[in-house]
Amino acid sequence: GDSVTQMEGPVTLSEEAFLTINCTYTATGYPSLFWYVQYPGEGLQLLLKATKADDKGSNKGFEATYRKETTSFHLEKGSVQVSDSAVYFCALITRSGNTGKLIFGQGTTLQVKP
Amino acid sequence: EAEVAQSPRYKITEKSQAVAFWCDPISGHATLYWYRQILGQGPELLVQFQDESVVDDSQLPKDRFSAERLKGVDSTLKIQPAELGDSAMYLCASSSRLGSYEQYFGPGTRLTVT
Repeated sequence: GDSVTQMEGPVTLSEEAFLTINCTYTATGYPSLFWYVQYPGEGLQLLLKATKADDKGSNKGFEATYRKETTSFHLEKGSVQVSDSAVYFCALITRSGNTGKLIFGQGTTLQVKP
Repeated sequence: EAEVAQSPRYKITEKSQAVAFWCDPISGHATLYWYRQILGQGPELLVQFQDESVVDDSQLPKDRFSAERLKGVDSTLKIQPAELGDSAMYLCASSSRLGSYEQYFGPGTRLTVT
């Protein structure tokens, strides 16, 4: 079945460091891809999305490019801040008929130190 | 800004007891989802509603879990009897239409079964 695999965490970086969180997927057809972020004690927030191959999603300095040839959707940010500390989830949505089912990776915890 | 509301935020219950969670989606959102997030893992879909109808409950343990959305607005997820393995975060999400990838999540209910 469809699945998402993320790099294991935790990832610990100093403020202003470059961030990459790897995400690869397995899916039939052409899924849409997402990154969600979960701050401590809160629900998930959509960070960015890409709906077709070569699309680049971006938001709040984060970027990810939908790479069909490598089935990847890696999250990057050029300069992280302490406030970026959170759990990041890569996800895809598969469609069967008219339903849309989000499938998540296991999450990667990011800790940014001042 | 419209949000998905959930209550309670935290619930501690003894095994074999009944427990219920409530979700109020964003106004006008026809599609509602219940996810379970075990600590250290990504959320997994339990049930999906379109208005008052269930469109996907393939991952819902129906011997002990039930979900309803009687008037197509708010929803209740019930567990009876609760088991130790049910300890998790229960997340509700909504979207404006079936198959939409824009799902908005509530803050979740953290359940601890003792």
